[in-house]
Amino acid sequence: DQQVKQNSPSLSVQEGRISILNCDYTNSMFDYFLWYKKYPAEGPTFLISISSIKDKNEDGRFTVFLNKSAKHLSLHIVPSQPGDSAVYFCAASYNNNDMRFGAGTRLTVKP
Amino acid sequence: NAGVTQTPKFQVLKTGQSMTLQCAQDMNHEYMSWYRQDPGMGLRLIHYSVGAGITDQGEVPNGYNVSRSTTEDFPLRLLSAAPSQTSVYFCASRTQPNEQFFGPGTRLTVL
Repeated sequence: DQQVKQNSPSLSVQEGRISILNCDYTNSMFDYFLWYKKYPAEGPTFLISISSIKDKNEDGRFTVFLNKSAKHLSLHIVPSQPGDSAVYFCAASYNNNDMRFGAGTRLTVKP
Repeated sequence: NAGVTQTPKFQVLKTGQSMTLQCAQDMNHEYMSWYRQDPGMGLRLIHYSVGAGITDQGEVPNGYNVSRSTTEDFPLRLLSAAPSQTSVYFCASRTQPNEQFFGPGTRLTVL
């Protein structure tokens, strides 16, 4: 079963606007959540993470929000830039064990 | 510092053939993992290792074997390739708590 779900396969936004990527999970044991960015023909690269004891983490233009009661997290990119165009994967793990990934959301930022 | 390296980058096999995908990391990471990426499925965990001599199964382990004799290397073996194993394979390593570093991937086609 897919424990981490990204229900939007694609998202298109205008340069300068906000991009919001969403992720839902089913396993309440998950205690660490991450976002990865992937360009074609490359491996995923780590973007930002959040522990389950927090509800928000910021790093420059990127902010991750965690709503544990809803088992939902989101990634906000403000302002969006054309170089942000990539596939974004949400991931989760618990007790430092194996990491589960969502199916990914393809973000396109239009100039 | 090369990070995580994978060989080969591309491979074509016939059904029933065997092969080993190589993965090495020079960051002295304890944790290493193998994932496969398929369209609409995201990254699915095949096998992982928490240290030399210790391996465990992930979500989709059938048809694959692994071993971890050194900290640096984590090869993935396909004993009898099947068309369902056509995919892009990523090796990753990480420290605690959770950020993973991915290799560039191996694109495998099984005819």
